[in-house]
Parts: sequence; structure tokens; C-alpha cells
Amino acid sequence: QKEVEQNSGPLSVPEGAIASLNCTYSDRGSQSFFWYRQYSGKSPELIMFIYSNGDKEDGRFTAQLNKASQYVSLLIRDSQPSDSATYLCAVGGDTGTASKLTFGTGTRLQVTL
Amino acid sequence: KAGVTQTPRYLIKTRGQQVTLSCSPISGHRSVSWYQQTPGQGLQFLFEYFSETQRNKGNFPGRFSGRQFSNSRSEMNVSTLELGDSALYLCASSLEGASPLHFGNGTRLTVT
Repeated sequence: QKEVEQNSGPLSVPEGAIASLNCTYSDRGSQSFFWYRQYSGKSPELIMFIYSNGDKEDGRFTAQLNKASQYVSLLIRDSQPSDSATYLCAVGGDTGTASKLTFGTGTRLQVTL
Repeated sequence: KAGVTQTPRYLIKTRGQQVTLSCSPISGHRSVSWYQQTPGQGLQFLFEYFSETQRNKGNFPGRFSGRQFSNSRSEMNVSTLELGDSALYLCASSLEGASPLHFGNGTRLTVT
């Protein structure tokens, strides 16, 4: 059974600091990797996606993928109180099964003033 | 561009009843997926439809079914509702291939 593991947190970081969120996955055949942010009572919102080993940056967010170690991470620079949410790591297969995502249980991030 | 639209937002049903949820994908998106989110199990994949055909299926009982129409709109049906079916049901659409999923606001189903 495919598994995606995340530390549930809460991860508490001060405003302006870097938040580092981690995720490991069990299926070596996984091809697509996503980070979603979910505020309480809301639906998941896509933050980043990455398909190749290495880093991918978008504004304050950087996704890192290491397929050999089956590890995905999300860095949030200059963390803001509005970043306080649950961050979900999701892993998908290749083109035919890319929509069949396996989600981790999420890491709750708290950005403190 | 309008996002994924799900209706209704909230539903209250009693055990044994059936329910139909509706989803309109982002314009141009041909793939529609359904997920169930509960506090205990998190987000779990139900099924995916592409070009009116079920392309992938999760590990849910046959009481959960869906369909997709020629305009890519999708419906999900749950028959013989059980208390454990109480959850947030999320619809997501994507273009094709490994493109990211974009979620709707969800339908919160409460079974009493």
C-alpha cells in the first residue's frame, strides 16, 4: 500500500523565519509530487508541484525532491502569519494515474508574531 | 477563469438515504477526480473520470459511484448512506497527464 508520511506538527516558526516541511513516500514509481495548503474549514489549495529531482522555486516557496531518498520538502521563506495552515504532501503516478494522489495527513504550521 | 464549482455546499441526510453531489470543472479541464476527507483518514481518492470514462478507482465500496458528462461536469452518488460517510467530499479537475489538481470548495455531507 502506497504511503506518504508527514510529521503532524504543529511546527511553530517565528514571523520572518524559514519553515521547512518534510514528506517521505513509499512508492518508488511515483512521478509527480505536490504541496497543498489547507486552511481550517477550507479546501486544499495548490502551492507547488515538482516532477524532477532538485529544487523548484516560486516566490517564497521552494520545493525539493530527492527520488533516491524518496523525500520531498517544502521551504517557506519569510514566513508570515497568513502562512499558518495545514500543508499536505501528495504523491501521484505517471500520466495515467497522476490524478490518483496519495496524500499525507498534513503538517500544521503555526507562524508566530 | 472560474474555479471548480461544487454543489451543494452542505447536505444533511439520514442513514439509508442516497445523495448526489455535483461538480463543474475548470473550463478546458477534462479530468475530474473525487476525494473524501475525514479527520481520521485524511484525504482519500475515490475515482477519476476522463472523457466520460472512469479511468482510476480508489478502495471504496460500490455504494460510491460517479459519472461524467460530455461537458466534463461530473456527479458522484452515494447510496445507502452510513454514518461513516459523513465527510467533506472534494472534487478536483486537471488538464491532462500529470498536471496538478485544482480542488473545489467541497460538499460537506453529514449523515445522521
